[in-house]
Amino acid sequence: QKEVEQDPGPLSVPEGAIVSLNCTYSNSAFQYFMWYRQYSRKGPELLMYTYSSGNKEDGRFTAQVDKSSKYISLFIRDSQPSDSATYLCAMSAREETSGSRLTFGEGTQLTVNP
Amino acid sequence: DSGVTQTPKHLITATGQRVTLRCSPRSGDLSVYWYQQSLDQGLQFLIQYYNGEERAKGNILERFSAQQFPDLHSELNLSSLELGDSALYFCASSAWGMRTDTQYFGPGTRLTVL
Repeated sequence: QKEVEQDPGPLSVPEGAIVSLNCTYSNSAFQYFMWYRQYSRKGPELLMYTYSSGNKEDGRFTAQVDKSSKYISLFIRDSQPSDSATYLCAMSAREETSGSRLTFGEGTQLTVNP
Repeated sequence: DSGVTQTPKHLITATGQRVTLRCSPRSGDLSVYWYQQSLDQGLQFLIQYYNGEERAKGNILERFSAQQFPDLHSELNLSSLELGDSALYFCASSAWGMRTDTQYFGPGTRLTVL
């Protein structure tokens, strides 16, 4: 079983829709949670970073973490065609031996149609 | 532009060969990470260096090796290449190599093994 599970999609929505992207994880040592955006196999770009349960908002993006359920989400409001990309959740653990490695989900491919 | 540079952008080679991928971290960043992204495995952590020293190792094959030089640039050496090594190889850097750091990704090197 993978440590991080993410629905690969693809997900197609109309412009202006609210998008919900989700990941579940099995390793309770994960303490830091990130969402990256990747355009056409380019380098991933950090969107959101959280380390506590609850919500964090940044513009049209809201990251949600529920550590008790081992579940994280990214919401995109008023989605735009420029949001079309692959969204990757990533996590890092607190153990010293794991360094600062990131464990990624498979990525969800999102298309926002004009 | 993340400030992380990788060369070459594309590499095409034959099975059994050896290649070297190069990464220059963002100015001031002390830690470098290597990740492999293949179509069936997603983004996988390979290895982390901090200020010239190996910090953490992931599922890196014995045929692969890396090092970080005194000027902080890093090289990933892949030898006895197999078809399955075809993938995108990303380098990331962060300031202190801590779990709370943001990792900034380079544009990647696309390796094709024929």
